[in-house]
Amino acid sequence: EVRLVESGGGLTQPGRSLRLSCAASEFTFDHYAMHWVRQAPGKGLEWVSSISWNSGNIGYADSVKGRFTISRDNAKNSLYLQMNSLRAEDMALYYCAKGLRGVWYYGMDVWGQGTTVTVSS
Amino acid sequence: QSALTQPASVSGSPGQSITISCTGTSSDVGGYNYVSWYRQHPGKAPKLMIYEVTNRPSGISNRFSGSKSGNTASLTISGLQAEDEADYYCSSYTSSSTYVFGTGTKVTVL
Repeated sequence: EVRLVESGGGLTQPGRSLRLSCAASEFTFDHYAMHWVRQAPGKGLEWVSSISWNSGNIGYADSVKGRFTISRDNAKNSLYLQMNSLRAEDMALYYCAKGLRGVWYYGMDVWGQGTTVTVSS
Repeated sequence: QSALTQPASVSGSPGQSITISCTGTSSDVGGYNYVSWYRQHPGKAPKLMIYEVTNRPSGISNRFSGSKSGNTASLTISGLQAEDEADYYCSSYTSSSTYVFGTGTKVTVL
């Protein structure tokens, strides 16, 4: 069974940085695109960023472009999200999701349980 | 990128059928067959129910079906069951090389 485990969330102050990680297992990681999606408390889903199987194609939501960087290490079956210049509006549960195919525009199928990011002074 | 428009709530009695709409533009829903639907129970991660407009992943009941007409995609749940009570979200790839989710629909089983 596909397994995605996020980590790295926590409490931080506005303007600081956090790095989220997602450990993947039970599937051929380097065959699939990967995604980050967030959900603020009591709100809907918001797409954050996606990366193709070989890191050759990357996309970001306008709300995080220039502040967040997605990356992956296929040798370690891991996905990352470097979040800089954090704002209060970035506070959310961050989900890692597996892509349906190697390119990310097809969408996502399996989701992790999420890691919580809290931004507060 | 604006969220796709979904009704805030839809309800039905057990055994009935309901349909949830997802309205976008020709730059997202209408322009690509990369529309997915997700179900999310409270406190749980989303679960894929439909992908590429009409396809059901392995293990998803055939009570769930998807369709699209123009800029509007739809999810139909037939034979409504108590376990179907949840939030539902659509999503689509966009011409701006981004992804967008719908506003979400709360389904209530009466």
